[in-house]
Amino acid sequence: EILLTQSPATLSLSPGERATLSCRASQTVDIYLSWYQQKPGQAPRLLIYDTSNRATGVPARFSGSGFGTDFTLTISSLEPEDFAVYYCQQRLNWPPLTFGPGTKVDIK
Amino acid sequence: EVQLLESGGGLVQPGGSLRLSCAASGLSFSRYAMTWVRQAPGKGLEWVSSISDSGDKTFYVESVKGRFTISTDSSRTTLYLQMNSLRVEDTAVYYCARVARADTVDMFFDSWGQGTLVTVSS
Repeated sequence: EILLTQSPATLSLSPGERATLSCRASQTVDIYLSWYQQKPGQAPRLLIYDTSNRATGVPARFSGSGFGTDFTLTISSLEPEDFAVYYCQQRLNWPPLTFGPGTKVDIK
Repeated sequence: EVQLLESGGGLVQPGGSLRLSCAASGLSFSRYAMTWVRQAPGKGLEWVSSISDSGDKTFYVESVKGRFTISTDSSRTTLYLQMNSLRVEDTAVYYCARVARADTVDMFFDSWGQGTLVTVSS
């Protein structure tokens, strides 16, 4: 089973600031890493798939990078609606599909 | 736009059973792999089970093997999760989700239901 860890657990930032979220895999997942955003009481929303591809309708301020075991989700300039929890998920080696524990981006 | 709507959650005693449903409106998911993901209260996301786009392959997380069964109806407009021998630790919001690409098992999900809460408690 591939374990995913995310850091930091919580990121406190102000609107307009840059957010950098990390996801690390216990073994290589090649490029097969996705990112989801979840707001309270809502279902997850796909942001990025296969490391760097933005899903339909996702603003350009969201970008993903990385390869193998280390990945980054960057939000270039936080908008008020971006304060949420972000999860990474790998699909190279499954079952089981695995998610990271999440990073909460909250307002400083 | 595909919309997914889950139903069937509720309160059940340990050892009991529930069947969750996920209905697709807008179109069927006949060419799409489908998945159940759950989220315990205040916790992160956990993959539970998937069914292939062809419907002939099913997959489960170890903790539910032998207890849960994923299936679809013949028209592939409704996804099910039959949950037997429920445990307290199965308490969660259960989401159904559809993969983004048809005719693949590329397991990332661009359509999600709103979730249905399953509470296992005596």
